[in-house]
Amino acid sequence: NAGVTQTPKFQVLKTGQSMTLQCAQDMNHNSMYWYRQDPGMGLRLIYYSASEGTTDKGEVPDGYNVSRLKKQNFLLGLESAAPSQTSVYFCASSPKPSGANVLTFGAGSRLTVL
Amino acid sequence: GQNIDQPTEMTATEGAIVQINCTYQTSGFNGLFWYQQHAGEAPTFLSYNVLDGLEEKGRFSSFLSRSKGYSYLLLKELQMKDSASYLCAVKDSNYQLIWGAGTKLIIKP
Repeated sequence: NAGVTQTPKFQVLKTGQSMTLQCAQDMNHNSMYWYRQDPGMGLRLIYYSASEGTTDKGEVPDGYNVSRLKKQNFLLGLESAAPSQTSVYFCASSPKPSGANVLTFGAGSRLTVL
Repeated sequence: GQNIDQPTEMTATEGAIVQINCTYQTSGFNGLFWYQQHAGEAPTFLSYNVLDGLEEKGRFSSFLSRSKGYSYLLLKELQMKDSASYLCAVKDSNYQLIWGAGTKLIIKP
């Protein structure tokens, strides 16, 4: 079982460049999430998708965009990268948003913006 | 605002017991989760509490008091592989998870 797969694992960008982080899950989960994790801070939600074709902003959406065209894929785009976006990004999925549904995380994507 | 507090770092000895506390102030409550995260890896689910009381799962137990906004994770018979960060997260009234910064647990032989 692959679970949640993120690509790339590592990326270095220059300020102003754009890129897309890819996330795929094979568990037929309805909900998918993008978080960023910074030292000394809790995971912060960037965007989430409760179901295929729908997306909603989380706590820190500025500078990012997302798309959920297929149930198994959730893409995170950085339109014009800034050093403040240097972080570890985690994609996660769950059967549905409510209740005791546990998040399954991908291995993370470490992004450095110079 | 919403807030989750946990100690930044704790140290314990192999074979001992350690309790990691978590206090929270959130808009609504729909459950509390504990996740384990080894350095450089993804968080993995440990436990879930939605009612007051103790949930036991092998060497790990988690306690919840909703009236006090308080939870703890109890780890018994500590092993070196338990060295990790432990993340407390509360699901608020909108079913969004609010995360604490995590407690780094260091196990010494």
